[in-house]
Amino acid sequence: EVHLVESGGGLVRPGGSLRLSCAASGFTFSDYWMHWVRQAPGKGLVWVSHINNDGITTNYADSVKGRFTISRDNARNTVYLQMNSLRADDTAMYYCARRFPSGIHLYLDSWGQGTLVTVSS
Amino acid sequence: EIVLTQSPGTLSLSPGERATLSCRASQSITSNYLAWYQQKPGQAPRVLIYGASSRATGTPDRFSGSGSGTDFTLTISRLEPEDFAVYYCQHYDTSLTFGGGTKVEIQ
Repeated sequence: EVHLVESGGGLVRPGGSLRLSCAASGFTFSDYWMHWVRQAPGKGLVWVSHINNDGITTNYADSVKGRFTISRDNARNTVYLQMNSLRADDTAMYYCARRFPSGIHLYLDSWGQGTLVTVSS
Repeated sequence: EIVLTQSPGTLSLSPGERATLSCRASQSITSNYLAWYQQKPGQAPRVLIYGASSRATGTPDRFSGSGSGTDFTLTISRLEPEDFAVYYCQHYDTSLTFGGGTKVEIQ
């Protein structure tokens, strides 16, 4: 069974940093692209970043570009999101998700339960 | 950048009724890259429909997706109590875009 477990969230002051982790199990992690998606309290889903299966290709939403860095360790079956220069509007639940591997249909077929990041002084 | 607009924002219906949710893209998109997700309070989203019309594993057959070009629809033929939730459409290109969501609530 596929499991994605996020950790690393918490309360941080504006301008601070956090590193989120997403530990994967139940599948061959190195075969899959991975994504981070966030959801501010009471709001909709917003894509944050993705990384391809070997970690070479990454992409970011404009709102986090230059502040967030996605990476992965295929030996540890873990994807990370390093978040720097955090702002109040980064407050959200952060989900990691796995992309369905087919190039024909592109969607997120498994999601973690999320980790909450709160940016506040 | 493609924008997905979902309507209505809220749909108030009773169990047993039919729900029709709309997702409109700002430009024509490939149906293969259009998916629908369901999210219940306190839970992560889960995929219902991919490729605009294919049901994901575990999706009941009362859920169906249709559409092409710029207009896509998620239909729930007869609402069950567990179907009251928020639904999002999603398009995947070089990045990933979600619609703003439609909340299906009990009338």
